[in-house]
Amino acid sequence: EPEVTQTPSHQVTQMGQEVILRCVPISNHLYFYWYRQILGQKVEFLVSFYNNEISEKSEIFDDQFSVERPDGSNFTLKIRSTKLEDSAMYFCASRAGSINYGYTFGSGTRLTVV
Amino acid sequence: EDQVTQSPEALRLQEGESSSLNCSYTVSGLRGLFWYRQDPGKGPEFLFTLYSAGEEKEKERLKATLTKKESFLHITAPKPEDSATYLCAGSGNFNKFYFGSGTKLNVKP
Repeated sequence: EPEVTQTPSHQVTQMGQEVILRCVPISNHLYFYWYRQILGQKVEFLVSFYNNEISEKSEIFDDQFSVERPDGSNFTLKIRSTKLEDSAMYFCASRAGSINYGYTFGSGTRLTVV
Repeated sequence: EDQVTQSPEALRLQEGESSSLNCSYTVSGLRGLFWYRQDPGKGPEFLFTLYSAGEEKEKERLKATLTKKESFLHITAPKPEDSATYLCAGSGNFNKFYFGSGTKLNVKP
C-alpha cells in the first residue's frame, strides 16, 4: 500500500538552529500538508500546498517557517531559527484530487529543541 | 471560532462491550467530517469521510454517523486490537482540518 515517508524519525537540535524536515508524499498525490502535534495537544494545521504554491497557512506558520517542493518527489518544511516551543511531532500528509479517502499521513518526525 | 470537541477523553471497555465515541463540531460551512485512528508514535490513519447529515459509513466493527452538529463512532464488540486514539476532524474547504483532542480507547481482553 502506498505510504507517505518522513525523515528523520527523530531530530534533536539546539535552539536557534535551522532544521529541515523531509517528506516523500504518495507519487500521484496533488495536495500536500504539514501538521504538528505538541505532546498532549491536538493535531494542528500548519500549511497546505498545491500546484507549487501555498494554498493556506495558519497563524503558527510565520516567517520562520517555509515549505518547498524542490523536485517531483520531495516536500520539505524548514524552520529557520528553532525555538523551544517548536518541539513537537511534525506530520506530513498528502491526498489525491478526491477527498473521499481523506489525507494520508506519514509517521511523523519528532523534533526536540534543546 | 471553528472547533471540534471529542468525548470522552478516555474509554476503557471489556472485549465485546460495544460503545460510542462522540465528536461535536462548529466548523463554518462544513464540507467533510473525518475519522482517524492513531496508534502511539504513529501518524493518523484514515477511517471514514462523511459529507452530509444522515450519512453512515461502516468498516468491520466500526460505524460512523453524522448529524448537523455531531458525529458518532460506534464500536461493536471491540477487540484488544481496536485499542488506539480515535481522532475526529472537520473541514470547510479541505485545505485545513480542525482536529479534536481524540478519545483514547483501551479494550481489555
